[in-house]
Amino acid sequence: DAKTTQPNSMESNEEEPVHLPCNHSTISGTDYIHWYRQLPSQGPEYVIHGLTSNVNNRMASLAIAEDRKSSTLILHRATLRDAAVYYCILLILTGGGNKLTFGTGTQLKVEL
Amino acid sequence: NAGVMQNPRHLVRRRGQEARLRCSPMKGHSHVYWYRQLPEEGLKFMVYLQKENIIDESGMPKERFSAEFPKEGPSILRIQQVVRGDSAAYFCASSPPEQQETQYFGPGTRLLVL
Repeated sequence: DAKTTQPNSMESNEEEPVHLPCNHSTISGTDYIHWYRQLPSQGPEYVIHGLTSNVNNRMASLAIAEDRKSSTLILHRATLRDAAVYYCILLILTGGGNKLTFGTGTQLKVEL
Repeated sequence: NAGVMQNPRHLVRRRGQEARLRCSPMKGHSHVYWYRQLPEEGLKFMVYLQKENIIDESGMPKERFSAEFPKEGPSILRIQQVVRGDSAAYFCASSPPEQQETQYFGPGTRLLVL
């Protein structure tokens, strides 16, 4: 599986935008870029995914570089409830199941 | 529509006992995944099942661990003769057949082996 690289931790102030980077220089043409997050003592939660074009949903936006070797998850206004570990995952959609390969992710700390 | 349910939420076992973890996927979801998260580590894939079939068990330890997803009822992850190294959080996820790229996770079962 192609690898992703994320910073270990980031900090943000409440109500400010947060840009979480992810490098995936070995991405292949069929890899989707997925983001999940895990709040303390909870299971992971799907955030967003994309292939080539930027994506928006109610939780976040995903900006994908033109060469697809990097992407950025954007939280437009961070709240204390957004404090979590954010995982950037590359996924090949197959008929044989789509097991997620979690790295160490980025621990996002949000302060008042 | 209730989310993925797992029970028990916490389970304490002594070495050598058996642990049974249950997962009820979301309604209409026929794909179930199990992941394990050891303390201070990321989640690791264990097994992927569809109704009555194991599709991918490449992440399952070769011994003592088994999983099933019967036609009726929840998916079961069974650990026989537990050891202290089995202490971890076990998460189940499900996805519908028409949206397999998105997995919905349960709250997990935290297993402690004394």
